[in-house]
Amino acid sequence: GDSVTQTEGLVTLTKGLPVMLNCTYQTTYSPFLFWYVQHLNEAPKLLLKSSTDNKRTEHQGFYATLHKSSSSFHLQKSSVQLSDSALYFCALTPGTGGYKVVFGSGTRLLVSP
Amino acid sequence: NSKVIQTPRYLVKGQGQKAKMRCIPEKGHPVVFWYQQNKNNEFKFLINFQNQEVLQQIDMTEKRFSAECPSNSPCSLEIQSSEAGDSALYLCASSLDWGNYAEQFFGPGTRLTVL
Repeated sequence: GDSVTQTEGLVTLTKGLPVMLNCTYQTTYSPFLFWYVQHLNEAPKLLLKSSTDNKRTEHQGFYATLHKSSSSFHLQKSSVQLSDSALYFCALTPGTGGYKVVFGSGTRLLVSP
Repeated sequence: NSKVIQTPRYLVKGQGQKAKMRCIPEKGHPVVFWYQQNKNNEFKFLINFQNQEVLQQIDMTEKRFSAECPSNSPCSLEIQSSEAGDSALYLCASSLDWGNYAEQFFGPGTRLTVL
């Protein structure tokens, strides 16, 4: 079946350092990938999305590139800020024409001063 | 910012009691999703609607959970007989597009505690 794997449960970093949050997926179909961010006691909201192979997509300093050859959609930022502390979810819709969305288990990013 | 409204924000029930929560999707969004987010922050899809019709639902939903999205009324999710394992954050999301690339707009959730 379709699945999304986020290998890190918790990532802790000092402000100003780069970060990469891993996301790999498994699906039979041509996928649509998303990153959602959920700040404490807030609703999740979309950060990035992509369905185009090998094209970098960016928003609010974060970027990700969908690599279908390796089934990956890692989230990166060159310099994290305190306000980036949040839960990050990678999600997949498998492109079957249905409405199923599969979320990863999430990665909590904690940025310290 | 998302304009999905969920009520109540917090709900406390005893085991065996009914628990009902409501969601008003963003205006003009025909697709509504319900998710359960557990204490480990994992999302579990429960059910989704396109206008008033159920598109997909998981087996769990078919047994103790019921949901509807009536025309001109809030959508609702009801647990007929709450169990301790139902304690979680229930998130409603709506979407403008029917396609697979559609962004979901989430509400703040209803946090259910089953004692």
